[in-house]
Amino acid sequence: ETGVTQTPRHLVMGMTNKKSLKCEQHLGHNAMYWYKQSAKKPLELMFVYNFKEQTENNSVPSRFSPECPNSSHLFLHLHTLQPEDSALYLCASSHLSVLRGGSYEQYFGPGTRLTVT
Amino acid sequence: AQTVTQSQPEMSVQEAETVTLSCTYDTSESNYYLFWYKQPPSRQMILVIRQEAYKQQNATENRFSVNFQKAAKSFSLKISDSQLGDTAMYFCAFMKPPNNDMRFGAGTRLTVKP
Repeated sequence: ETGVTQTPRHLVMGMTNKKSLKCEQHLGHNAMYWYKQSAKKPLELMFVYNFKEQTENNSVPSRFSPECPNSSHLFLHLHTLQPEDSALYLCASSHLSVLRGGSYEQYFGPGTRLTVT
Repeated sequence: AQTVTQSQPEMSVQEAETVTLSCTYDTSESNYYLFWYKQPPSRQMILVIRQEAYKQQNATENRFSVNFQKAAKSFSLKISDSQLGDTAMYFCAFMKPPNNDMRFGAGTRLTVKP
């Protein structure tokens, strides 16, 4: 397995619940990402954090709220979700620069399978 | 905006044979990176191979190699001596630094048959 971990691995929540997804990377990267993977659709980039600062928010509904307290941890807070939000949520991390031997590829966690009932 | 197209939703190959997965992309940039990722059933997405656009030589990683045609904006993945463990979804991805917004194709589901 890679150096990116995600918890929980599976989550079932009602539309009125509040829950959080957690991601942690042990690779010394300085960029972290949230993706949504739905059946028969390309991966959708949701949020990007570079050096703990959010640099991308691809028109994600406000019921998804990211938090990046440091360059190793990333959270996705969920509230009042809809059934169409059921999907696999993937976290990834990467270097921001290829200097000092870094590379641009992203390393993914195992994902959280979210079901909204 | 850059787009990535994988025109083969599903493919199958016999064990030990060779298979090629197609990927095309659309960009006006000259410096960029291309990737192939593999996502086995219920397992983590992992990098298979990467190609820097400024390099003319096609990247290879053991049984995996690419055919990078920059002018045609094509980036196909060849898997030689296919193994059962190669069964997975394969995603082609494009990235233009310094913007680290990676664009993925819809994926190709590859099944290796014994």
